[in-house]
Amino acid sequence: RKEVEQDPGPFNVPEGATVAFNCTYSNSASQSFFWYRQDCRKEPKLLMSVYSSGNEDGRFTAQLNRASQYISLLIRDSKLSDSATYLCVVNGGYSSASKIIFGSGTRLSIRP
Amino acid sequence: DGGITQSPKYLFRKEGQNVTLSCEQNLNHDAMYWYRQDPGQGLRLIYYSQIVNDFQKGDIAEGYSVSREKKESFPLTVTSAQKNPTAFYLCASTPAGPGDYNEQFFGPGTRLTVL
Repeated sequence: RKEVEQDPGPFNVPEGATVAFNCTYSNSASQSFFWYRQDCRKEPKLLMSVYSSGNEDGRFTAQLNRASQYISLLIRDSKLSDSATYLCVVNGGYSSASKIIFGSGTRLSIRP
Repeated sequence: DGGITQSPKYLFRKEGQNVTLSCEQNLNHDAMYWYRQDPGQGLRLIYYSQIVNDFQKGDIAEGYSVSREKKESFPLTVTSAQKNPTAFYLCASTPAGPGDYNEQFFGPGTRLTVL
């Protein structure tokens, strides 16, 4: 089993739709969780951190479920500009960069 | 503006040649990282450095070397020993070490193609 797994997609949804991705992780001791957005042939950029209580930033909502070891990202009222690859990142919490694990990403395509 | 710069953006090299990728940051961050990304895959850690003159191997360090002589700079050399060097290389930094994990700031990347 991979340490961090994501559905690669692509998710192809119409503009205005709501879409959700999950990301599962295997290390139950993981301490911090993030969603990054990566546009084609560009560097990843932080979209949101994921907190235990869940957090929302505009149209984006992130949730953490420690019992089932997954995090989720919900995008409401999707825009064409949301088309990108979304990377899940899990940090094992040790003082080692080797414990920062990136998922392989979920591709999202928003159609007009 | 503060940030991370990587150069060049595209790099072509012949097989068997060593090549050095540049990474510079003016964010005053202590920790710097090198990742490799292959199509359809997540980022894999090559090397990281938490302080000047110190660095640690990541998961795929074989065939690569780094140096950290200055806080601002963390160049990566791809040696001829790296079996499959064609990839997208990303440099990143954080204010403190990876155990105090906040946002990683990424440079724009270097796309290396070995012919």
